Amino acid sequence: DVKVTQSSRYLVKRTGEKVFLECVQDMDHENMFWYRQDPGLGLRLIYFSYDVKMKEKGDIPEGYSVSREKKERFSLILESASTNQTSMYLCASRRGTVNTEAFFGQGTRLTVV
Amino acid sequence: QKEVEQNSGPLSVPEGAIASLNCTYSDRGSQSFFWYRQYSGKSPELIMSIYSNGDKEDGRFTAQLNKASQYVSLLIRDSQPSDSATYLCAVITSGTYKYIFGTGTRLKVLA
Repeated sequence: DVKVTQSSRYLVKRTGEKVFLECVQDMDHENMFWYRQDPGLGLRLIYFSYDVKMKEKGDIPEGYSVSREKKERFSLILESASTNQTSMYLCASRRGTVNTEAFFGQGTRLTVV
Repeated sequence: QKEVEQNSGPLSVPEGAIASLNCTYSDRGSQSFFWYRQYSGKSPELIMSIYSNGDKEDGRFTAQLNKASQYVSLLIRDSQPSDSATYLCAVITSGTYKYIFGTGTRLKVLA
């Protein structure tokens, strides 16, 4: 079974802090994704990576950065957390070939106070 | 225009009925389409994938794809209260690795 693991289930941070969300997958998947999910807005793509050290902006990259130094790990960084970044963050991974599905981690509920 | 569109619902159906969920997408070159189910407070889980025009059946679930009209649908036969969840449509856009979701349709199956 594919396993995608996010480092924290719940996180509370202060405004202005630098926040790291970690995601690890154990299936040697090439593609990894970070989404945020807010009521009524669905899953919005923040950043994705199609291979090690490769990254591309999604639809809402402002205020975020990412790092992919190893194939199994994809980190989302909030450079200076703000209250409007309070959200559920979901990581996903998939094999980098046509017609393959993505698998999700359990999600991190981040609250910025 | 949003890349992937779904009616947010809620869609209410009686137990035992057929639930029909629809999704439209804007990128005509998209090739891969997925349906996920998400229970409240949980992560999305894959129900079905479909890549070719036509129908694909898996148990009580049938996915339908019409590339000419740019829509994909999910039918749930013999709906159960346990099917009550949000259903998310996902598309891989052409020429990229982007995996894009619609906003989801909330389904309520009434006992």
